[in-house]
Amino acid sequence: GENVEQHPSTLSVQEGDSAVIKCTYSDSASNYFPWYKQELGKGPQLIIDIRSNVGEKKDQRIAVTLNKTAKHFSLHITETQPEDSAVYFCAASRGAGTYKYIFGTGTRLKVLA
Amino acid sequence: NAGVTQTPKFRILKIGQSMTLQCTQDMNHNYMYWYRQDPGMGLKLIYYSVGAGITDKGEVPNGYNVSRSTTEDFPLRLELAAPSQTSVYFCASNIGRRQETQYFGPGTRLLVL
Repeated sequence: GENVEQHPSTLSVQEGDSAVIKCTYSDSASNYFPWYKQELGKGPQLIIDIRSNVGEKKDQRIAVTLNKTAKHFSLHITETQPEDSAVYFCAASRGAGTYKYIFGTGTRLKVLA
Repeated sequence: NAGVTQTPKFRILKIGQSMTLQCTQDMNHNYMYWYRQDPGMGLKLIYYSVGAGITDKGEVPNGYNVSRSTTEDFPLRLELAAPSQTSVYFCASNIGRRQETQYFGPGTRLLVL
């Protein structure tokens, strides 16, 4: 079946450094790729997303890149801060326009002060 | 708006018991979802609904039932609880209409002993 692979499963960085999380998807029809941040004891919250007709999107310290040919997309966080510590999930739409998503297994990011 | 609310926050069930996890959203969203999240795993879709009176199975529907009598409410029913249903359950919603962002509730932690 279709799946989304996410790496690494854990990531520790020093405050102020950059963090990169990578995902690979298998469904060539996927056209929407959100990233969610989940803080302890809370539900996931969307932080950035990208559609298949765009190669890169930025929002302040957060950016997402998409390589449709290779079927992978990445989350980049620059100038990390302790409050960035959380679990991050990538997801890919099941086909196009279905509003259903396949989630990656998550990356636990720790920003060390 | 309260967004997506879920009750209870935590519950312990004995094997064979039944219970209903409640989910309500006040954003007039058409689409609603139930996910389960197991340790180290991504979110798996249990059931979803595209509007009142319409529900459909996701990836892991066995052992669960849902109903959608109103736009706001989407309860998840466990009829005969099993240890394999120990998990954290998240309800989510999105408006549809080409807006893909899903909004998640805070989750219900369920322990089946």
